Amino acid sequence: GENVEQHPSTLSVQEGDSAVIKCTYSDSASNYFPWYKQELGKRPQLIIDIRSNVGEKKDQRIAVTLNKTAKHFSLHITETQPEDSAVYFCAASSNTGNQFYFGTGTSLTVIP
Amino acid sequence: ETGVTQTPRHLVMGMTNKKSLKCEQHLGHNAMYWYKQSAKKPLELMFVYSLEERVENNSVPSRFSPECPNSSHLFLHLHTLQPEDSALYLCASSQGTEETQYFGPGTRLLVL
Repeated sequence: GENVEQHPSTLSVQEGDSAVIKCTYSDSASNYFPWYKQELGKRPQLIIDIRSNVGEKKDQRIAVTLNKTAKHFSLHITETQPEDSAVYFCAASSNTGNQFYFGTGTSLTVIP
Repeated sequence: ETGVTQTPRHLVMGMTNKKSLKCEQHLGHNAMYWYKQSAKKPLELMFVYSLEERVENNSVPSRFSPECPNSSHLFLHLHTLQPEDSALYLCASSQGTEETQYFGPGTRLLVL
């Protein structure tokens, strides 16, 4: 089955700086890679996703890059703000499986 | 939000009790999931239902019993739980098991 690894487990940045979270996956059949944000006491919510037919996708301050050859994908947050503080989860899935495989999460703290 | 709802939001139960968690999705999805989220641990997939049939059961103890009577409803029946089962139980749904999952707010369970 798929194995998704996520790094770092914790990340602290100064407000205004950039944050990068990286995930690797093992199953070359994986073709869909969403990122979820979970604020304290709230449900995980999709913030951005990418499919394997593109290498990069951007939505305002958030971007995701995908390297299919190396089997890794990354979340980039620019101009971080205190409200970006949360736990971020990556995930991978394929149309040949029956589930998502989630990373272990990254706790991001943006220091004002 | 009305996409995916869960009841109750909080539950305290003794080890000899029997209780049920309920999840309802109003998104027209055909797949539903139960996850367990413990403090400082990644999301643990428990069960996957696709088209009302269970397709995954990730070695979950028999004291957890899922039920999916139709594509909009998912239950998790609990009996003789242990204190280590205390966690946040999240329900999710998606249109196809490889597509974006939308989470409910969760039920925070405490087993005494």
